[in-house]
Amino acid sequence: QAVVTQEPSLAVSPGGTVTLTCGSSTGVVTSGHFPYWFQQKPGQAPRTLIYDTTNKHSWTPARFSGSLLGGKAALTLSGAQPEDEADYYCFLSYNGAGVFGGGTKLTVL
Amino acid sequence: EVQLVESGGGLVQPGGSLRLSCAASGFTFSTYAVTWVRQAPGKGLEWVSAITASGGNTYYADSVKGRFTISRDNSKKTLYAQMHSLRAEDTAVYYCGLSTGRTVEGTNYWGQGTRVTVSS
Repeated sequence: QAVVTQEPSLAVSPGGTVTLTCGSSTGVVTSGHFPYWFQQKPGQAPRTLIYDTTNKHSWTPARFSGSLLGGKAALTLSGAQPEDEADYYCFLSYNGAGVFGGGTKLTVL
Repeated sequence: EVQLVESGGGLVQPGGSLRLSCAASGFTFSTYAVTWVRQAPGKGLEWVSAITASGGNTYYADSVKGRFTISRDNSKKTLYAQMHSLRAEDTAVYYCGLSTGRTVEGTNYWGQGTRVTVSS
């Protein structure tokens, strides 16, 4: 089974920009992995922010965007807000099997 | 409004069985794939299983293959997870999910979860 890797923790200043990445042990992440990004706050169910690499839901704040960057999937937060402090998980699809990354704890300070 | 409501969680002994249900509303259940994702206490998310809209294809994580069975009843708008031979490491909150993206395994909408504890 593939392993999906994320930064364990990152910090960003309010109003700042940060990029979270999502790598695959099998090699380059492509759109064929249909990357997803989720946000989870303590005690809450996850919330899907990005799917199929770049697509947003109606509830996804405009400051979040998804892309492919340097062989990985990426989630960029531009103009961080205090309420963006949370755990972020990426997810990749491997032809009938799904794998989550270990998560990135994002601190806004 | 999409709603997914899980039920059936609880305390079960190692080696025991449990059936989870997920009642769906607010969308045409029979036209979408649905998923199960779990989260052990203090840990990250783990993809468990997915089933296509018709129920004709099912997919499982290696960790549950042969022990869990995903199924659906489109007439009842309900998703199920039949879990057998439960182990301590199956202890988790189990989330039901709706997949509206391009891959069956993804989760776009989430339920609130049901807690399963495997312990003697």
